[in-house]
Amino acid sequence: EDKVVQSPLSLVVHEGDTVTLNCSYEVTNFRSLLWYKQEKKAPTFLFMLTSSGIEKKSGRLSSILDKKELFSILNITATQTGDSAVYLCAVEAGYGQNFVFGPGTRLSVLP
Amino acid sequence: NAGVTQTPKFQVLKTGQSMTLQCAQDMNHNSMYWYRQDPGMGLRLIYYSASEGTTDKGEVPNGYNVSRLNKREFSLRLESAAPSQTSVYFCASNRDRAGEAFFGQGTRLTVV
Repeated sequence: EDKVVQSPLSLVVHEGDTVTLNCSYEVTNFRSLLWYKQEKKAPTFLFMLTSSGIEKKSGRLSSILDKKELFSILNITATQTGDSAVYLCAVEAGYGQNFVFGPGTRLSVLP
Repeated sequence: NAGVTQTPKFQVLKTGQSMTLQCAQDMNHNSMYWYRQDPGMGLRLIYYSASEGTTDKGEVPNGYNVSRLNKREFSLRLESAAPSQTSVYFCASNRDRAGEAFFGQGTRLTVV
Protein backbone atom coordinates (compact mmCIF):
# COMPACT_ATOMS: atom_id res chain seq x y z
CA GLU A 1 0.00 0.00 0.00
CA ASP A 2 1.34 3.43 -0.95
CA LYS A 3 2.18 5.55 2.07
CA VAL A 4 3.39 9.10 2.75
CA VAL A 5 4.51 10.09 6.24
CA GLN A 6 5.23 13.60 7.44
CA SER A 7 7.02 14.78 10.55
CA PRO A 8 6.59 16.52 12.79
CA LEU A 9 2.79 16.63 12.72
CA SER A 10 2.81 19.91 14.58
CA LEU A 11 5.44 22.57 15.19
CA VAL A 12 5.44 25.89 17.04
CA VAL A 13 8.26 28.37 16.43
CA HIS A 14 8.93 32.08 16.81
CA GLU A 15 9.36 34.56 14.01
CA GLY A 16 12.85 34.45 12.60
CA ASP A 17 13.41 30.76 13.33
CA THR A 18 14.33 28.28 10.60
CA VAL A 19 12.25 25.13 10.26
CA THR A 20 12.68 21.84 8.44
CA LEU A 21 9.66 19.75 7.55
CA ASN A 22 10.08 16.12 6.59
CA CYS A 23 8.27 13.87 4.17
CA SER A 24 9.08 10.20 3.62
CA TYR A 25 7.31 7.83 1.28
CA GLU A 26 6.88 4.23 0.27
CA VAL A 27 5.12 4.02 -3.06
CA THR A 28 5.02 1.99 -6.24
CA ASN A 29 6.36 3.63 -9.38
CA PHE A 30 7.29 7.03 -7.98
CA ARG A 31 6.83 9.87 -10.46
CA SER A 32 7.03 13.12 -8.49
CA LEU A 33 6.71 14.69 -5.06
CA LEU A 34 4.79 17.89 -4.47
CA TRP A 35 4.57 20.31 -1.55
CA TYR A 36 1.47 22.37 -0.86
CA LYS A 37 0.64 25.05 1.69
CA GLN A 38 -2.86 25.01 3.16
CA GLU A 39 -4.00 28.00 5.13
CA LYS A 40 -7.70 28.22 5.78
CA LYS A 41 -9.05 26.59 2.68
CA ALA A 42 -7.60 25.32 -0.57
CA PRO A 43 -4.07 23.92 -0.73
CA THR A 44 -1.77 26.05 -2.86
CA PHE A 45 1.17 24.65 -4.77
CA LEU A 46 4.74 25.26 -3.60
CA PHE A 47 7.11 22.87 -5.35
CA MET A 48 7.26 19.81 -7.54
CA LEU A 49 10.34 17.59 -7.31
CA THR A 50 11.22 14.78 -9.66
CA SER A 51 15.01 14.46 -9.48
CA SER A 52 17.26 13.74 -6.52
CA GLY A 53 19.63 16.38 -5.22
CA ILE A 54 18.25 19.36 -7.12
CA GLU A 55 17.11 22.07 -4.76
CA LYS A 56 14.04 24.08 -5.64
CA LYS A 57 13.86 27.57 -4.13
CA SER A 58 11.23 30.25 -3.85
CA GLY A 59 12.14 33.14 -1.59
CA ARG A 60 12.64 31.82 1.93
CA LEU A 61 11.34 28.36 1.04
CA SER A 62 13.41 25.57 -0.43
CA SER A 63 12.98 21.85 -0.94
CA ILE A 64 15.05 18.89 -2.00
CA LEU A 65 14.35 15.26 -2.82
CA ASP A 66 16.37 12.13 -2.07
CA LYS A 67 15.02 9.28 -4.19
CA LYS A 68 17.50 6.79 -2.79
CA GLU A 69 16.43 7.33 0.81
CA LEU A 70 12.82 8.08 -0.20
CA PHE A 71 12.34 11.43 1.47
CA SER A 72 12.07 15.13 0.92
CA ILE A 73 12.55 18.15 3.16
CA LEU A 74 10.97 21.57 3.04
CA ASN A 75 12.99 24.36 4.64
CA ILE A 76 11.65 27.73 5.65
CA THR A 77 14.18 30.31 6.78
CA ALA A 78 13.46 33.49 8.75
CA THR A 79 9.89 32.38 9.41
CA GLN A 80 7.08 34.93 9.52
CA THR A 81 3.60 34.72 11.02
CA GLY A 82 2.25 34.44 7.47
CA ASP A 83 4.01 31.09 7.16
CA SER A 84 1.57 29.62 9.68
CA ALA A 85 -0.29 26.89 7.80
CA VAL A 86 -0.53 23.17 7.23
CA TYR A 87 2.15 21.96 4.83
CA LEU A 88 1.12 18.95 2.77
CA CYS A 89 3.40 16.55 0.98
CA ALA A 90 1.95 14.54 -1.92
CA VAL A 91 3.53 11.82 -4.02
CA GLU A 92 2.43 11.03 -7.54
CA ALA A 93 2.79 7.29 -7.88
CA GLY A 94 1.37 4.09 -9.23
CA TYR A 95 0.09 3.39 -12.69
CA GLY A 96 -3.09 5.39 -12.62
CA GLN A 97 -3.90 8.89 -11.50
CA ASN A 98 -2.66 8.51 -8.00
CA PHE A 99 -1.60 11.36 -5.73
CA VAL A 100 -1.03 10.10 -2.20
CA PHE A 101 -1.05 12.81 0.45
CA GLY A 102 0.61 12.78 3.82
CA PRO A 103 -1.26 13.96 6.93
CA GLY A 104 0.41 17.36 6.86
CA THR A 105 2.57 19.35 9.28
CA ARG A 106 0.79 22.14 11.12
CA LEU A 107 3.24 25.03 11.53
CA SER A 108 2.46 27.87 13.91
CA VAL A 109 4.75 30.89 13.87
CA LEU A 110 4.42 33.13 16.91
CA PRO A 111 5.31 36.83 16.82
CA ASN B 1 -9.60 34.36 -12.88
CA ALA B 2 -11.88 31.76 -11.28
CA GLY B 3 -9.73 28.60 -11.45
CA VAL B 4 -11.65 25.78 -9.72
CA THR B 5 -15.09 26.63 -8.35
CA GLN B 6 -16.99 24.38 -5.95
CA THR B 7 -20.53 24.67 -4.71
CA PRO B 8 -21.89 24.68 -2.10
CA LYS B 9 -19.35 25.90 0.48
CA PHE B 10 -21.27 24.44 3.42
CA GLN B 11 -23.98 21.80 3.71
CA VAL B 12 -25.74 19.97 6.51
CA LEU B 13 -27.54 16.74 5.61
CA LYS B 14 -29.59 14.27 7.56
CA THR B 15 -28.58 10.62 7.40
CA GLY B 16 -30.03 9.05 4.28
CA GLN B 17 -30.42 12.27 2.31
CA SER B 18 -28.73 12.71 -1.05
CA MET B 19 -26.86 15.61 -2.55
CA THR B 20 -24.53 16.55 -5.37
CA LEU B 21 -21.38 18.62 -5.00
CA GLN B 22 -20.59 20.64 -8.09
CA CYS B 23 -17.15 21.49 -9.44
CA ALA B 24 -16.13 23.48 -12.50
CA GLN B 25 -12.73 24.58 -13.80
CA ASP B 26 -11.93 27.14 -16.44
CA MET B 27 -8.30 26.21 -17.12
CA ASN B 28 -9.01 23.70 -19.90
CA HIS B 29 -7.55 20.90 -17.77
CA ASN B 30 -8.12 17.31 -18.77
CA SER B 31 -7.83 15.77 -15.31
CA MET B 32 -10.14 16.39 -12.38
CA TYR B 33 -10.28 14.92 -8.89
CA TRP B 34 -12.43 14.69 -5.79
CA TYR B 35 -10.74 14.42 -2.39
CA ARG B 36 -11.97 14.33 1.16
CA GLN B 37 -9.95 15.75 4.03
CA ASP B 38 -10.38 14.49 7.58
CA PRO B 39 -8.38 15.59 10.63
CA GLY B 40 -5.01 13.86 10.84
CA MET B 41 -5.52 11.94 7.60
CA GLY B 42 -4.49 14.34 4.88
CA LEU B 43 -6.35 14.33 1.57
CA ARG B 44 -7.73 11.03 0.31
CA LEU B 45 -8.75 10.51 -3.29
CA ILE B 46 -12.37 9.53 -3.83
CA TYR B 47 -12.64 9.51 -7.63
CA TYR B 48 -10.78 11.02 -10.53
CA SER B 49 -11.36 11.66 -14.20
CA ALA B 50 -8.41 11.61 -16.56
CA SER B 51 -10.44 13.04 -19.41
CA GLU B 52 -13.97 13.88 -20.45
CA GLY B 53 -16.07 10.72 -20.43
CA THR B 54 -13.83 8.67 -18.14
CA THR B 55 -13.89 8.20 -14.37
CA ASP B 56 -11.98 5.91 -12.02
CA LYS B 57 -12.10 5.01 -8.37
CA GLY B 58 -9.57 6.35 -5.94
CA GLU B 59 -8.72 5.23 -2.42
CA VAL B 60 -12.14 5.77 -0.77
CA PRO B 61 -14.93 5.52 -3.40
CA ASN B 62 -17.59 3.68 -1.39
CA GLY B 63 -20.78 5.68 -0.92
CA TYR B 64 -20.01 8.10 -3.75
CA ASN B 65 -20.68 8.43 -7.46
CA VAL B 66 -19.27 10.90 -9.94
CA SER B 67 -20.11 12.34 -13.32
CA ARG B 68 -17.75 14.07 -15.72
CA LEU B 69 -20.41 16.11 -17.45
CA ASN B 70 -18.03 17.79 -19.88
CA LYS B 71 -14.44 18.97 -19.83
CA ARG B 72 -15.21 21.74 -17.35
CA GLU B 73 -17.46 20.01 -14.84
CA PHE B 74 -17.02 17.07 -12.47
CA SER B 75 -19.72 16.38 -9.90
CA LEU B 76 -19.72 14.17 -6.81
CA ARG B 77 -22.94 12.58 -5.59
CA LEU B 78 -23.79 11.10 -2.21
CA GLU B 79 -26.82 8.89 -2.74
CA SER B 80 -27.55 8.14 0.92
CA ALA B 81 -25.44 10.23 3.25
CA ALA B 82 -23.93 8.70 6.38
CA PRO B 83 -22.29 10.40 9.38
CA SER B 84 -18.95 8.85 8.27
CA GLN B 85 -19.12 11.11 5.22
CA THR B 86 -18.84 14.21 7.37
CA SER B 87 -15.72 15.82 5.97
CA VAL B 88 -14.30 18.65 3.91
CA TYR B 89 -14.44 17.87 0.20
CA PHE B 90 -12.04 19.34 -2.33
CA CYS B 91 -12.22 19.31 -6.08
CA ALA B 92 -8.96 19.70 -8.00
CA SER B 93 -7.77 19.74 -11.58
CA ASN B 94 -4.48 19.53 -13.40
CA ARG B 95 -3.09 19.33 -16.86
CA ASP B 96 -2.55 15.90 -18.33
CA ARG B 97 -2.17 13.92 -15.12
CA ALA B 98 1.06 15.57 -14.07
CA GLY B 99 2.35 18.21 -11.79
CA GLU B 100 0.66 20.95 -9.91
CA ALA B 101 -3.01 20.50 -9.06
CA PHE B 102 -5.30 23.47 -8.55
CA PHE B 103 -7.84 23.12 -5.76
CA GLY B 104 -11.26 24.56 -5.17
CA GLN B 105 -12.11 26.26 -1.89
CA GLY B 106 -13.71 23.17 -0.40
CA THR B 107 -17.16 22.09 0.77
CA ARG B 108 -17.66 21.48 4.45
CA LEU B 109 -20.28 18.73 4.74
CA THR B 110 -21.85 17.62 7.99
CA VAL B 111 -24.13 14.58 8.12
CA VAL B 112 -26.24 14.33 11.25
